[in-house]
Amino acid sequence: EVHLLESGGGLVQPGGSLRLSCAASGFTFSSYAMTWVRQAPGKGLEWVSGISSADNSTYYADSVRGRFTISRDNSKNTVYLQMNSLRVEDAAVYYCAKNEGIRPSSRIDCWGQGTLVTVSS
Amino acid sequence: DIQMTQSPSTLSASVGDRVTITCRASQSFSTWLAWYQQKPGNAPRLLIYDASTLETGVPSRFSGSGSGTEFTLTISSLQPDDFATYYCQQYNTYRATFGQGTKVEIK
Repeated sequence: EVHLLESGGGLVQPGGSLRLSCAASGFTFSSYAMTWVRQAPGKGLEWVSGISSADNSTYYADSVRGRFTISRDNSKNTVYLQMNSLRVEDAAVYYCAKNEGIRPSSRIDCWGQGTLVTVSS
Repeated sequence: DIQMTQSPSTLSASVGDRVTITCRASQSFSTWLAWYQQKPGNAPRLLIYDASTLETGVPSRFSGSGSGTEFTLTISSLQPDDFATYYCQQYNTYRATFGQGTKVEIK
């Protein structure tokens, strides 16, 4: 059974940094793209970033480009989201998600339960 | 980026009703579209992919159709478990984008 477990969320001040982790199990991690999606309180889903399994190409939403970095460690079956220069508007539940294919331009077929990021002074 | 617009934003319906949600894209693409269901406090769940393919384990009362710029999700007979928020997502481009969501409420 596919399982995604996020960690690393918490309270951070504006301008601060956090690193989210997502530990994957139940599938051949190195063969699938991974994606981060966020959901601000009471709002809809926002695609944040994706990373290919074929060549580790990375992709970002305009709202986070230059501040967030996605990476993966296939030896640890883990995908990361390094978030720098955090803003109040980055506060959300961050979901880790597995893509169906090798590239982020494929459907998401499994989601983690999410980790909450709060940005406040 | 491709913008996805869902309508309506909120839908009030009764058990047994036929429900249709529309998703329109700002640019035309083939059928690289998925529908997800989300209940409060839970992660989204994949219902439909490639615009019309039912994910394994999803009840057959759910169906999807469309291509190009207009897509629909239909629930043939609404059940109590179906009251939730539904999102479309295009994955035609690397920066996949979601619609704003449609909340299906009890009438």
